[in-house]
Amino acid sequence: KNEVEQSPQNLTAQEGEFITINCSYSVGISALHWLQQHPGGGIVSLFMLSSGKKKHGRLIATINIQEKHSSLHITASHPRDSAVYICAVGTDSWGKLQFGAGTQVVVTP
Amino acid sequence: KAGVTQTPRYLIKTRGQQVTLSCSPISGHRSVSWYQQTPGQGLQFLFEYFSETQRNKGNFPGRFSGRQFSNSRSEMNVSTLELGDSALYLCASSLDRGTGTSPLHFGNGTRLTVT
Repeated sequence: KNEVEQSPQNLTAQEGEFITINCSYSVGISALHWLQQHPGGGIVSLFMLSSGKKKHGRLIATINIQEKHSSLHITASHPRDSAVYICAVGTDSWGKLQFGAGTQVVVTP
Repeated sequence: KAGVTQTPRYLIKTRGQQVTLSCSPISGHRSVSWYQQTPGQGLQFLFEYFSETQRNKGNFPGRFSGRQFSNSRSEMNVSTLELGDSALYLCASSLDRGTGTSPLHFGNGTRLTVT
């Protein structure tokens, strides 16, 4: 059983809609990362969280340490947001991450 | 500032051969980690290095090895290649020294195909 579970696996939204991706984990963590991967493979780190909430532009990430749950929200979604979003947790060091399976997001005009 | 550079971008090898992949971190970053991404297993952690020392290793066979040089550049080597080693290999660097408080910066990856 994967210790990092993401939902949904796939998501299609119309431009302008509000999108939420969820991540649940079962281990104690030092940090949780939200990553974005476009076709071609390159990965961009969107957020690193150990508590609370962070916002960057139209993206918001929250984490509830007690419930072992994090959410990534995309407000006013745009076709350029189409990508795979991956949740990853770090346990005992910065680089040793456990990854969720990813959420494929497609935003249509 | 230049990003994380991985070379080569694409590689085709035959079963039984060995391969070396290279990763140059962002200037000033001394932490480098490696990951394997396959359609079946997703992303999996391979290695983590800081100041030429391997700090952690993922659950991979001994055919997978790596090292980090004094200039923080890192290489990973896979010997006796198997078809299942076909994957995107990603490298990331960070300013972090173990506290897990610095973000990761990923390279574009090396896509290895084993035939």
